[in-house]
Amino acid sequence: GQNIDQPTEMTATEGAIVQINCTYQTSGFNGLFWYQQHAGEAPTFLSYNVLDGLEEKGRFSSFLSRSKGYSYLLLKELQMKDSASYLCAARHNSWGKLQFGAGTQVVVTP
Amino acid sequence: DAGVTQSPTHLIKTRGQQVTLRCSPKSGHDTVSWYQQALGQGPQFIFQYYEEEERQRGNFPDRFSGHQFPNYSSELNVNALLLGDSALYLCASSLFGFSSATGGGETQYFGPGTRLLVL
Repeated sequence: GQNIDQPTEMTATEGAIVQINCTYQTSGFNGLFWYQQHAGEAPTFLSYNVLDGLEEKGRFSSFLSRSKGYSYLLLKELQMKDSASYLCAARHNSWGKLQFGAGTQVVVTP
Repeated sequence: DAGVTQSPTHLIKTRGQQVTLRCSPKSGHDTVSWYQQALGQGPQFIFQYYEEEERQRGNFPDRFSGHQFPNYSSELNVNALLLGDSALYLCASSLFGFSSATGGGETQYFGPGTRLLVL
């Protein structure tokens, strides 16, 4: 079967670090994506991992362990504008559909 | 560089009606995927079009159909609308195939979506 699990909500203070975990079970797995989605807007691509390890992009980093079916998104130096839903998505085969989790709502407080 | 565009932005229909949503992919992309996102949920894959053919389909009934044109733009049609079809419909474009840079297929980029309300 295919299943993506991530926490529903996380709260953190401005300037802090937050780690959003995602576990997945996807047949024909070919990559793990993270998207950011502000309320009422479309998802915006953040990062992509297909090989094990850490990918760093400025304040955002993403990690993948294929053997454990596990990924995380690390948000550093949190800013108020980072308050949004963060979607974890596993890709099924090399050009196929994305299987999304329900999203993690991150609330950044002053 | 034009991103993914969708029209209309908002739409209100009544049960039983039919609707057509449109999508133009990002410049240089040839593949279009459609997703349905209900409030508070992640997007759910409807289908994907490449070379004017439906390549993959998610768990959606035949009331949902689509088309891709030679210029790579795409339409999503929904017949016999139900209240449960109310959602944000997202189009995502990508470039078909294997990317040596990423080690996998190309990233999907989303349009702004069409918000459909069925009354």
